[in-house]
Amino acid sequence: GQSLEQPSEVTAVEGAIVQINCTYQTSGFYGLSWYQQHDGGAPTFLSYNGLDGLEETGRFSSFLSRSDSYGYLLLQELQMKDSASYFCAVSTNAGKSTFGDGTTLTVKP
Amino acid sequence: KAGVTQTPRYLIKTRGQQVTLSCSPISGHRSVSWYQQTPGQGLQFLFEYFSETQRNKGNFPGRFSGRQFSNSRSEMNVSTLELGDSALYLCASSVTSPSYEQYFGPGTRLTVT
Repeated sequence: GQSLEQPSEVTAVEGAIVQINCTYQTSGFYGLSWYQQHDGGAPTFLSYNGLDGLEETGRFSSFLSRSDSYGYLLLQELQMKDSASYFCAVSTNAGKSTFGDGTTLTVKP
Repeated sequence: KAGVTQTPRYLIKTRGQQVTLSCSPISGHRSVSWYQQTPGQGLQFLFEYFSETQRNKGNFPGRFSGRQFSNSRSEMNVSTLELGDSALYLCASSVTSPSYEQYFGPGTRLTVT
């Protein structure tokens, strides 16, 4: 089966940088994705890594190391609106997506 | 492009009843996945459909079923509802499968009493 681990909570101040780690165990690994979900809202896609390395999208970057079964989401220049839950998700070749339990990010002024 | 739509948005049912939820994906997206989200929990994968075929299924009892139509619209059905089925049911569409870049609908909030 698949399993993912990510921290349950992270707190940071506005303007800071925060990194949310994700380790996974899966067979048939295809890629690692990241999603953001605000309270009462639906998850929104942030980033995807299919190959090792760093992907950058504005203030957000995501990294993957397939050999270490590890990835992270890096959020720079934190803003209050970044307070949300962040989920890593593993997709497999068989078409199954497994989400982590989510990391609640609180950004303080 | 219009986003993913789900109907109904809210639903209240009693134990033992059945329910059908509907999802219309983004135009051009052929893959639809369904998830169950309960308070404080992550998203639990129910199943994924691609070109009318179920590609994979999560660890849910057989009371949970789904289908996809030729226009990529999808429905999921839950029979013999239990109190524990109360949750937010989310569908997500993507261009292809494996669906690594998914776009979620607003969800259907199901309450079972």
